[in-house]
Amino acid sequence: KNQVEQSPQSLIILEGKNCTLQCNYTVSPFSNLRWYKQDTGRGPVSLTIMTFSENTKSNGRYTATLDADTKQSSLHITASQLSDSASYICVVSGNTGTASKLTFGTGTRLQVTL
Amino acid sequence: EAGVTQFPSHSVIEKGQTVTLRCDPISGHDNLYWYRRVMGKEIKFLLHFVKESKQDESGMPNNRFLAERTGGTYSTLKVQPAELEDSGVYFCASSPGAGTVFGQYFGPGTRLTVT
Repeated sequence: KNQVEQSPQSLIILEGKNCTLQCNYTVSPFSNLRWYKQDTGRGPVSLTIMTFSENTKSNGRYTATLDADTKQSSLHITASQLSDSASYICVVSGNTGTASKLTFGTGTRLQVTL
Repeated sequence: EAGVTQFPSHSVIEKGQTVTLRCDPISGHDNLYWYRRVMGKEIKFLLHFVKESKQDESGMPNNRFLAERTGGTYSTLKVQPAELEDSGVYFCASSPGAGTVFGQYFGPGTRLTVT
């Protein structure tokens, strides 16, 4: 069964600190992996997308890594800001690259405090 | 440019009643998707429209759910009759292309509570 597991489930950090969120998946075959940010009361917004051959991709203070051999990805947030408080969802796409083959993680809820 | 909009934002209905959720995609996006997140679980795919046609409805849970996209613009998702387990957040998303390499733009969701 295709699964995406994220850790930690929740995280509280001080503003300005860095953090790393983890995503392990068992989806096979693999097409791509996205990290989404979901603010409270809003829909998910894509941060990064990585395909099989990509190891790292950055979007501002967000840097995602992918190890397709171990089926692990991480999202590193640098110099966190209060606006980073949100849920971060890892989504893995199966081989066909179609929506029905998307497997979502349950997300990591990040809270950035003063 | 307006994003994906959904209406209502929140609906509370009794078991056995009918509810219709609406989604307006980004203008020009032929692909429209419905997803659902049940409390404590991950988001799951329900179905995919390309224009007015159902491309993939493999995620629809049962025949109490009916999705339409007449004219290829906005879409509705009707639940009739609603059951307690239908409670959750229903997301709509749209994209310019069908493959998942195209970014999907999500709406804010409709929170459905069945009592």
